[in-house]
Amino acid sequence: QSVLTQPPSVSAAPGQKVTISCSGSGSNIGNNYLSWYRQLPGTAPKLLIYENNKRPSGIPDRFSASKSGTSATLGITGLQTGDEADYYCGTWDSSLSAGVFGGGTKLTVL
Amino acid sequence: EVQLLESGGGLVQPGGSLRLSCAASGFTFSNYAMTWVRQAPGKGLEWVSSITTSGGNTYYADSVKGRFTISRDNSKNTLFLQMNNLRAEDTAIYYCANGGIVATVGYWGQGTPVTVSS
Repeated sequence: QSVLTQPPSVSAAPGQKVTISCSGSGSNIGNNYLSWYRQLPGTAPKLLIYENNKRPSGIPDRFSASKSGTSATLGITGLQTGDEADYYCGTWDSSLSAGVFGGGTKLTVL
Repeated sequence: EVQLLESGGGLVQPGGSLRLSCAASGFTFSNYAMTWVRQAPGKGLEWVSSITTSGGNTYYADSVKGRFTISRDNSKNTLFLQMNNLRAEDTAIYYCANGGIVATVGYWGQGTPVTVSS
């Protein structure tokens, strides 16, 4: 049981938009910056979004994110087959004094 | 270019020990907290441990507390994870990453596999 809650899977057609939610509590999402990671099959996770809504250099603006209270959302527009991957949210939990991740969301581009 | 290269993984019997290393380059190692994250086969990411820049403070997941020890050598830009009394449920790919403890976990290594089995 992950501290952060994500839907197990989402799907959408190429070119469409998809959103992935991440829900937590006041001690994690509500009080700390949230990051999003993408993990392509057989590879290490890669940072997509940091500090709630910032994109590292090299991440296209098709990827966006927002946070409100104890929940956050990752949005991906102009879906491509190459976007098929597992997506994770992660942050620090100030009450647990531990890092926490969501259970991951598998994106399928139909 | 930031590089994190893990080593030290392998096959170990239950109750055994392993020491993982992570050689860092391409950034000022001593300025970053560092983190270990693991991923069991077919499962999601699990935070394992983080350490502050100086090594003065360490944090552990309950699942490894008392068995694993994180440390760092800033003079050699290297992060370590000493794993003792290993269990089958510790079988996973172990990733080293920079950041953590409130700060963003940014760059990740390619991981080193650990298999605990008799």
